[in-house]
Amino acid sequence: DSGVTQTPKHLITATGQRVTLRCSPRSGDLSVYWYQQSLDQGLQFLIQYYNGEERAKGNILERFSAQQFPDLHSELNLSSLELGDSALYFCATRTGNTGELFFGEGSRLTVL
Amino acid sequence: GQQLNQSPQSMFIQEGEDVSMNCTSSSIFNTWLWYKQDPGEGPVLLIALYKAGELTSNGRLTAQFGITRKDSFLNISASIPSDVGIYFCAGSSRGGGADGLTFGKGTHLIIQP
Repeated sequence: DSGVTQTPKHLITATGQRVTLRCSPRSGDLSVYWYQQSLDQGLQFLIQYYNGEERAKGNILERFSAQQFPDLHSELNLSSLELGDSALYFCATRTGNTGELFFGEGSRLTVL
Repeated sequence: GQQLNQSPQSMFIQEGEDVSMNCTSSSIFNTWLWYKQDPGEGPVLLIALYKAGELTSNGRLTAQFGITRKDSFLNISASIPSDVGIYFCAGSSRGGGADGLTFGKGTHLIIQP
């Protein structure tokens, strides 16, 4: 158990809809990273927050957005969903300045 | 952007065999990490490497940070059924701080009885 909690574990929705994925980091971790994992693309970095502020952006679509709240939990919002958005979405957190990320169990999104 | 080439893409081995996989980068990394992912789970950190030439073990797993800082290797000795899964290498060109890792596409390890 990494200590990183993600909800929901599974989500099925239709094209054009909007969903919100939630992540609670390990106690004391200030950084939250979001990754997308699809079959043919591996783990793709989307965005990072540190102590409530956006710190780095990766391959995140304009239809996607994220935020980190004062209690350090984070939400990833995916809108105008397309079939290709079906994937596993992982949240990961880092303690201090090490390079080590600890991943949650992921949210599996299926867009029909 | 940074590219990581991980090989082999998949491995079919017999229980008890040793396993080797590697990652190469187009640029220099300061950190190499190896993760394992079981089906339906998130990646779990196996080994972290922070210095060129470093060799680190975790039980039957041994990983090395290449001297050129552009590659890393993971070896698993005497494989057992629970070693099945996807192994990812990951690298970072920063010394920590605000940067996500770049991941390889994974090595699928399948153990035949």
